[in-house]
Amino acid sequence: QLQLQESGPGQVKPSETLSLTCTVSGGSISSSSYYWGWIRQPPGKGLEWIGSIYYSGNTYYNPSLKSRVTISVDTSKNQISLKLNSVTAADTAVYYCARSPLVVIAAFYPDHWGQGTLVTVSS
Amino acid sequence: DIQMTQSPSTLSASVGDRVTITCRASQSISTWLAWYQQKPGKAPKLLIYKASNLENEFPSRFSGSGSGTEFTLTISSLQPDDFATYYCQQYDSYSPTFGGGTKVEIK
Repeated sequence: QLQLQESGPGQVKPSETLSLTCTVSGGSISSSSYYWGWIRQPPGKGLEWIGSIYYSGNTYYNPSLKSRVTISVDTSKNQISLKLNSVTAADTAVYYCARSPLVVIAAFYPDHWGQGTLVTVSS
Repeated sequence: DIQMTQSPSTLSASVGDRVTITCRASQSISTWLAWYQQKPGKAPKLLIYKASNLENEFPSRFSGSGSGTEFTLTISSLQPDDFATYYCQQYDSYSPTFGGGTKVEIK
């Protein structure tokens, strides 16, 4: 059974870097059939796609976050990672790791999600 | 970015009611549309993909339709387990976007 587990600090100071890791179990992140990515949800608000990655390292980012985001993959550890620079209170959200079937290039619609992790930006 | 507009934002209904949620895209997305169900404190679950394909986990009272810019999610007979928030999402472009969500509440 596929499981995705997010991990990382629950609190980050303003202007610092948010770093999260997603560990995949029950399936290989090197599968050619899927994209992997991050989605966030501010408390009480809707969903926002942050970015996606293919096991080969090809990445796709939300244009509104592109200047601050890096997503990477470590196939040896079956993990993907998220780094978001220069955070502000507006980046406070539940961050989800997710998997999407590959149907066309860059198309991302998650069929499996992690449980999510709340990251609060506060001094 | 392609903008996704859902209506209504909140819907009050009773068990057994037929419920319809609408999602409109700011430009044509063919049938590259997904619907998700989210319950409080939980991750969203994929409900429908490619506009009308139902995920195995969900019962047939859920259905999706539409193409181009207008889409609907229908629950034929609302059950207690269906009270949740529903989101549409387009995946036509290199920048997927979600609708604002529709909260289905108990009337």
